[in-house]
Amino acid sequence: GAGVSQTPSNKVTEKGKYVELRCDPISGHTALYWYRQSLGQGPEFLIYFQGTGAADDSGLPNDRFFAVRPEGSVSTLKIQRTERGDSAVYLCASSLKPPGDRGDTQYFGPGTRLTVL
Amino acid sequence: DAKTTQPNSMESNEEEPVHLPCNHSTISGTDYIHWYRQLPSQGPEYVIHGLTSNVNNRMASLAIAEDRKSSTLILHRATLRDAAVYYCILRGSGTYKYIFGTGTRLKVLA
Repeated sequence: GAGVSQTPSNKVTEKGKYVELRCDPISGHTALYWYRQSLGQGPEFLIYFQGTGAADDSGLPNDRFFAVRPEGSVSTLKIQRTERGDSAVYLCASSLKPPGDRGDTQYFGPGTRLTVL
Repeated sequence: DAKTTQPNSMESNEEEPVHLPCNHSTISGTDYIHWYRQLPSQGPEYVIHGLTSNVNNRMASLAIAEDRKSSTLILHRATLRDAAVYYCILRGSGTYKYIFGTGTRLKVLA
């Protein structure tokens, strides 16, 4: 079946601009996660949604970052006033069940590579 | 969150077994050991996970030390497609954050 998809696959923007990154989770998955991966590093947790609500946004680096999941399916990560340090691969993952339940393995998308010039 | 220690890189010959070690000396009793791998230009891919007993699936085997302070991911016959960064992650029961380290970059030689 279809996996997690992310669009765009690549995004180049200029410093100070606003960007939106989209994640389509696996159909029926209730939990959705965003991670950020810098070059040579492992992914770093940003935010977790259970349904429509953000259950934990403690990983968002500052208030320029915001994410929504209005209908409990597709999620959008929004970055305002982008900075060069925001350049990274942004990964989305989803899981069928909430954490702690059987079936809570996270499945990752291919990521969006964001480059801020 | 308990941390894991992995070698930065390993090499293997094609069609030979590969043993990828992971140390997690501060593991707690409720921490599950998860392994993911990340192929070039892709997101991480689930490989296997376990708590106390050794686990097998179609991709790999996971051998967990009796004291749970270390574990080994075993690829029974490495192929060129297994070349990836392998992450060993501890995740507490009921938690959801995967705390990734820098992983082990596996190179498979033809």
